[in-house]
Amino acid sequence: KQEVTQIPAALSVPEGENLVLNCSFTDSAIYNLQWFRQDPGKGLTSLLLIQSSQREQTSGRLNASLDKSSGRSTLYIAASQPGDSATYLCAVRGGYSTLTFGKGTMLLVSP
Amino acid sequence: GAGVSQSPRYKVAKRGQDVALRCDPISGHVSLFWYQQALGQGPEFLTYFQNEAQLDKSGLPSDRFFAERPEGSVSTLKIQRTQQEDSAVYLCASSLQDSSNQPQHFGDGTRLSIL
Repeated sequence: KQEVTQIPAALSVPEGENLVLNCSFTDSAIYNLQWFRQDPGKGLTSLLLIQSSQREQTSGRLNASLDKSSGRSTLYIAASQPGDSATYLCAVRGGYSTLTFGKGTMLLVSP
Repeated sequence: GAGVSQSPRYKVAKRGQDVALRCDPISGHVSLFWYQQALGQGPEFLTYFQNEAQLDKSGLPSDRFFAERPEGSVSTLKIQRTQQEDSAVYLCASSLQDSSNQPQHFGDGTRLSIL
């Protein structure tokens, strides 16, 4: 059974810092990996989707990498802003169409 | 609207009551998913539809949970004889088609509280 782990569980940084969120998964047979953002009381917003054949994806200040063979992904956020404060979830798509999620990293960026 | 719409946003029910949660996917999206998210946890898969066909219901926790999508658009998740452990946020997601390069788009969820 696929298991997804996210480290750290929580992170607090001052505005302007670059930061890295980590995600690991136990079964490397995946179709893709997706990073989401979840604000309190809200649903999930898709940030980046990396296909299994890709190594990284970039969107603005966000960069996600994927090392499928070692079962790892990182989300890099450059020049963090208070508006980046949210919970970040990593999810892998295996088998059918279902996503397996980690528990998330709660990020707080202070002004 | 342009996104996935879920209703109600909040639902409080007494233990033993039946509840029905509604999901309106993005227009034209073939695939629809239901997830359950407990407090402090990531979402967990419940069931998946492709058009009106329920292709995977392996995540439904018991036979008290039932989902349908009769016309391949709106979906309803029904929970019978609710129990306290059913308290969670229920998220619905849709994607354009069943393809590995299609992201899933999520609604804001229904927060269910069982008293």
